[in-house]
Amino acid sequence: DTEVTQTPKHLVMGMTNKKSLKCEQHMGHRAMYWYKQKAKKPPELMFVYSYEKLSINESVPSRFSPECPNSSLLNLHLHALQPEDSALYLCASSQDGSFNPSSYNSPLHFGNGTRLTVT
Amino acid sequence: AQSVTQLDSHVSVSEGTPVLLRCNYSSSYSPSLFWYVQHPNKGLQLLLKYTSAATLVKGINGFEAEFKKSETSFHLTKPSAHMSDAAEYFCVVIGSQGNLIFGKGTKLSVKP
Repeated sequence: DTEVTQTPKHLVMGMTNKKSLKCEQHMGHRAMYWYKQKAKKPPELMFVYSYEKLSINESVPSRFSPECPNSSLLNLHLHALQPEDSALYLCASSQDGSFNPSSYNSPLHFGNGTRLTVT
Repeated sequence: AQSVTQLDSHVSVSEGTPVLLRCNYSSSYSPSLFWYVQHPNKGLQLLLKYTSAATLVKGINGFEAEFKKSETSFHLTKPSAHMSDAAEYFCVVIGSQGNLIFGKGTKLSVKP
C-alpha cells in the first residue's frame, strides 16, 4: 500500500464541470508534486510545492489550479477541462524540500493516481 | 543538461531467466539516479537509488543496478525474472531544478 493517498481513484467529468483531486501524505515530507501521465508515456511534471509554497509551475494551463492548504495536503482544482486532459494524475511527495540537484537524493513517493476522463 | 535514455522500449524474458534493462544518462555533475516501476493502473514505486555512495546499488524485489561513470550507464538487472515483475520501468535522473527527468520507459514482459 502506498503512503500517499489520492482521491478519487476514478473521475469522469464534463467540460463545464468543476472538480478537485485530493492528495494526502503523513510522512512529514516537505515537497509535494502533481504529475500528469498519458497512456504509454512517462509522467510529466505539472507543479511542485516546497514548504507549502508553489516553487515550480511547468507552464500548465490555468484550467488546472493547485492548492496546498498545509504540509500534508495537496489539491488540484479542475475547471473547463478538455477531452485531451484525460489522463492519470499522480501525486507524489519527497522528504527534501530544497532542490540542490548536486546533493539531492530524496526519492519521490507516489500515490496510485486518479484516472480522469473528460467527456 | 541532464537526461536519461532507456535503450529498449520493450524487453521480453522467460520466467526464471535474467533481466537486463538498459539506461544511459547525461549529466553535468555527479548525478542522482533512480529506477521506478509502475504496474498497470498503479502509481510509481521506487526500486532503488544511486547517490554517489556504492556504485552497485541493491533494491527491492531482488533488483540491482550498477553505476558506471566511464560508460554513463545505470543498467537494472535481476538474476531471475518472476511473473510479478511484468511492468513498466522508468530510469530517472535529477534535473537542475531538483525535478525528476524520466526516461521513456521500458515495458518488461515475462513469459511463463
